[in-house]
Amino acid sequence: KAGVTQTPRYLIKTRGQQVTLSCSPISGHRSVSWYQQTPGQGLQFLFEYFSETQRNKGNFPGRFSGRQFSNSRSEMNVSTLELGDSALYLCASSFSYGNEQFFGPGTRLTVL
Amino acid sequence: QKEVEQNSGPLSVPEGAIASLNCTYSDRGSQSFFWYRQYSGKSPELIMFIYSNGDKEDGRFTAQLNKASQYVSLLIRDSQPSDSATYLCAGLHNYGQNFVFGPGTRLSVLP
Repeated sequence: KAGVTQTPRYLIKTRGQQVTLSCSPISGHRSVSWYQQTPGQGLQFLFEYFSETQRNKGNFPGRFSGRQFSNSRSEMNVSTLELGDSALYLCASSFSYGNEQFFGPGTRLTVL
Repeated sequence: QKEVEQNSGPLSVPEGAIASLNCTYSDRGSQSFFWYRQYSGKSPELIMFIYSNGDKEDGRFTAQLNKASQYVSLLIRDSQPSDSATYLCAGLHNYGQNFVFGPGTRLSVLP
């Protein structure tokens, strides 16, 4: 069974731009969670989607948004990028909410 | 605010020894706990999870949960240099809420 895939793997953007990251969960998994990982803050929860509905949201500004499609694929968008948004963005999928999560390889975003 | 605490390390153990990684949590309502291993430059990979008090074993790994003390641990027997990584502990309050991750403990197994 194929694992979680994320695209793109690397991104370089400049301040003020926006970016869209994509995540395809493991086949049959309907829950997708997004995390931001930085050396100083560790793994921070962004949001979780299940059956196209956002179930939980972390403490991030409204510039961070996401959505989930009917095939469970998910996207997250960051608008008006700031230098502090430079991080590894991880997507994790699970069969349902509350089940063990499996992480994708991540998208490393660098904001210049 | 729900928090999961871990000693950041590094924790150094000699090859073949038992590595003991510890995690405490503030939310008494947390039900399930997950251990992930993350190699440098890679994403976290699930090692095991536990939701009942006591021990749960999987190969060289044993997870221990003590809900009264709000304490979770991961024991790695016969540690190998390939076990050198950061170990993340995560707690889940209930099925309706999100995972809360600790900052991770860096483990170094010395050959």
